[in-house]
Amino acid sequence: QQQVKQSPQSLIVQKGGIPIINCAYENTAFDYFPWYQQFPGKGPALLIAIRPDVSEKKEGRFTISFNKSAKQFSLHIMDSQPGDSATYFCAASMSQGGSEKLVFGKGTKLTVNP
Amino acid sequence: SAVISQKPSRDICQRGTSLTIQCQVDSQVTMMFWYRQQPGQSLTLIATANQGSEATYESGFVIDKFPISRPNLTFSTLTVSNMSPEDSSIYLCSVELTGAGEAFFGQGTRLTVV
Repeated sequence: QQQVKQSPQSLIVQKGGIPIINCAYENTAFDYFPWYQQFPGKGPALLIAIRPDVSEKKEGRFTISFNKSAKQFSLHIMDSQPGDSATYFCAASMSQGGSEKLVFGKGTKLTVNP
Repeated sequence: SAVISQKPSRDICQRGTSLTIQCQVDSQVTMMFWYRQQPGQSLTLIATANQGSEATYESGFVIDKFPISRPNLTFSTLTVSNMSPEDSSIYLCSVELTGAGEAFFGQGTRLTVV
C-alpha cells in the first residue's frame, strides 16, 4: 500500500487556535514523513519533517507528533495566525533504489480567521 | 535548501500541441522529480529523472506523452505532448538534496489546454 490518508479535508479556526491535521499510512517501510505548506499559485514548501525514531518534533509553532505503532502522524500549529492559511500536505517516503519518492496525502485547506 | 526556477509559470495552449517546461536548479542535484497537481488536488508523481539515464515513469504516465530530458545536474525539461484539455494542470519540478531526504519544489507551471 502506497497511500497516505489525510484528514480533515478543510479546517477553519480562529486566530490563536491550534489546528490539528492527521495522517495515516499503511506501508511500514516508510521512513520519512514531511509536511508541506502550499499557498495559492506557489509550489509546496517543506515545513517540518520527522523520522520514525522520534515521537515528536517541534520547529517554532509547528509540531509533528508521530505514533509508529498506530502508523499515524499529525501536525499541530500553535497560536495559529491568518498568515498560516494555506493548504497543508502530509507525505511519506522510503528509500527505494537510492531515491526517496514522496507519496502525498490529499491535502487540508486551513483557514485561520482574524 | 535549493532554489528552483520553472519556466513558463503559466501558459494557455491549443489542443494537439506540445509544451516544454524547463526546470533550473541553483545547485547540482542527483534526483529531479516531475509532479502533476490538478486544481485543488494533491500531487501525483509523473517521473523521476536522473542525469545520464532514462527517466523512470510512474504507473499511468508514459514517455511518449511526457518525454523528459536531464542533460546535466542542474537542469531538466518535461514536455507535455499532444495536449488535450485533460492535461490542464499544474506541473511541478522537485529536487531532492542527496543525503538529507528533503524535497524542494519549483513554483509550478500552470497549464491550460483549450
